[in-house]
Amino acid sequence: GENVEQHPSTLSVQEGDSAVIKCTYSDSASNYFPWYKQELGKRPQLIIDIRSNVGEKKDQRIAVTLNKTAKHFSLHITETQPEDSAVYFCAARAGAASKLTFGTGTRLQVTL
Amino acid sequence: GAVVSQHPSWVICKSGTSVKIECRSLDFQATTMFWYRQFPKQSLMLMATSNEGSKATYEQGVEKDKFLINHASLTLSTLTVTSAHPEDSSFYICSARPGGAQNYGYTFGSGTRLTVV
Repeated sequence: GENVEQHPSTLSVQEGDSAVIKCTYSDSASNYFPWYKQELGKRPQLIIDIRSNVGEKKDQRIAVTLNKTAKHFSLHITETQPEDSAVYFCAARAGAASKLTFGTGTRLQVTL
Repeated sequence: GAVVSQHPSWVICKSGTSVKIECRSLDFQATTMFWYRQFPKQSLMLMATSNEGSKATYEQGVEKDKFLINHASLTLSTLTVTSAHPEDSSFYICSARPGGAQNYGYTFGSGTRLTVV
């Protein structure tokens, strides 16, 4: 089955700096890669996603890049703010199986 | 947008009892629903996939007789934790996906924190 690895597990940046989180996946048939933000005790919230026919997608301060050849995708957050502090999960949809496989999560701390 | 309602948001039960968690899609038909379990500071682990009108598909290591899943309609899926034990204490989250091969969206319920005492 699909295996998604995520790094780093924790990330601390100063307010205004950029944050980058990286994920790799194993199933070359995966075609959908969402990123979720989860605050303590809350549901995961979709912040951005990318499909396999696109290499990059941007939404204001958030961007995602996908390298299908290398089977990795990354989340980029620019001009970080304290409210960006949360746990971020990447995920991959393993083709026709339609289930999402999640990465292990990254705890992002934005300090003042 | 698509909304998934999950109840209860938290529940405390005694060891040996059963607990039912409901997941409803409010404004779309969910042909497929997913149930996840999340332990503190860990990722979401898929427990099972349910398809309306058919039996759920359980992930390896998940006891189907302990975690009963019913998806009897296009808007409701239930997870029943039977004979609960303290080690079942966790955050359970459902996710629903509208039908259609081109529909990529997944909507999550608000989660249920189960504490077994």
